[in-house]
Amino acid sequence: AQSVSQHNHHVILSEAASLELGCNYSYGGTVNLFWYVQYPGQHLQLLLKYFSGDPLVKGIKGFEAEFIKSKFSFNLRKPSVQWSDTAEYFCAVNARSSNTGKLIFGQGTTLQVKP
Amino acid sequence: DVKVTQSSRYLVKRTGEKVFLECVQDMDHENMFWYRQDPGLGLRLIYFSYDVKMKEKGDIPEGYSVSREKKERFSLILESASTNQTSMYLCASSLLTPGQGPGMNSPLHFGNGTRLTVT
Repeated sequence: AQSVSQHNHHVILSEAASLELGCNYSYGGTVNLFWYVQYPGQHLQLLLKYFSGDPLVKGIKGFEAEFIKSKFSFNLRKPSVQWSDTAEYFCAVNARSSNTGKLIFGQGTTLQVKP
Repeated sequence: DVKVTQSSRYLVKRTGEKVFLECVQDMDHENMFWYRQDPGLGLRLIYFSYDVKMKEKGDIPEGYSVSREKKERFSLILESASTNQTSMYLCASSLLTPGQGPGMNSPLHFGNGTRLTVT
């Protein structure tokens, strides 16, 4: 069965620090990969996605993620975080062979950015 | 812009009650999903539907059922609510893009969630 693991459950950073959130998945086939973000009091929204092509994908608000197939990883990065990045971040995987769009989510990482 | 609307933001129910959570989307999406979100566990899929009257179990279907009589509406039913079903429930929808290949599975669009408390 597919699973997604996010290594960091709670991260605290100061503004301007660099961010990297880890995400690993277990599935032997081809996958689509996503990062979602949930700002306080808001609904989940898509941050970025990877389907194919360049393994380094760029999303909204200066975020990027790198797909490393050999490591089954899709880590999220941002060079310089802002207080407004305080949110919960979820990595998610969808098996390409699935025709249903079913996503498996990781446990989530809470990011707190101190001003 | 896609809008996924969950009928209630907060619900408080008693143990043993039958509970209905309603979700409506306005973008003619084929796929609809119910997840529950719990601290430290992330989002776990309860049920999903890829067409009217079609449903499939997710990872934690026990104690739940669903109904999809119309394309835009997907209901989650707790037949007999229990305290361990206290949670945040999230509905989502997406386009069905059958087949494989790049861009073939569209991202999910989420509602604001229903926070259910069972006492």
